[in-house]
Amino acid sequence: GQQVMQIPQYQHVQEGEDFTTYCNSSTTLSNIQWYKQRPGGHPVFLIQLVKSGEVKKQKRLTFQFGEAKKNSSLHITATQTTDVGTYFCAGHSGYALNFGKGTSLLVTP
Amino acid sequence: DTGVSQDPRHKITKRGQNVTFRCDPISEHNRLYWYRQTLGQGPEFLTYFQNEAQLEKSRLLSDRFSAERPKGSFSTLEIQRTEQGDSAMYLCASSLSVGPSLAYEQYFGPGTRLTVT
Repeated sequence: GQQVMQIPQYQHVQEGEDFTTYCNSSTTLSNIQWYKQRPGGHPVFLIQLVKSGEVKKQKRLTFQFGEAKKNSSLHITATQTTDVGTYFCAGHSGYALNFGKGTSLLVTP
Repeated sequence: DTGVSQDPRHKITKRGQNVTFRCDPISEHNRLYWYRQTLGQGPEFLTYFQNEAQLEKSRLLSDRFSAERPKGSFSTLEIQRTEQGDSAMYLCASSLSVGPSLAYEQYFGPGTRLTVT
């Protein structure tokens, strides 16, 4: 079955540094979704990418979908303490939405 | 609050007991999902409903797990003969679709944390 892998598992940065997490799928994805989960919270939808090579920006966050639709990345510019949390990518296999294990981001002031 | 709600928020049970969780999705959301999440892992898909129809169930899901969405609104997830390995956060999510595509954002509830002793 489809597997979604994310690296790194953890990232610790100083406030103001950039951060990137990478997502790779074992199969071609029809679309990819990104979620953020704060410590003690539930996943919150960030964005969805559908088209090959698509790039979307949300303020300091930049999301990319690979040309082959098998990988994606999330880049945060100039991290802030409010960016702390775990970032998950997820892709559909049938009706199931398969999540990666996530990248946990810690930002030190 | 018009978000997804789940009840109870916490459940402690003894091994072998049955438990039932309830999820109330956002009103008029036609799609409902159940996930299980353990520490350090992403949500693991359990099952999916479109209105009242259960259209997919994870092959990894034991026969001890059953879910219903009788009127296409709230849903229940029952675990029979609980085991310690069932301890996890059980998350419910809902979405509104206007077509056959699966490409719609999911809104998650706060989860029910199950501890099996």
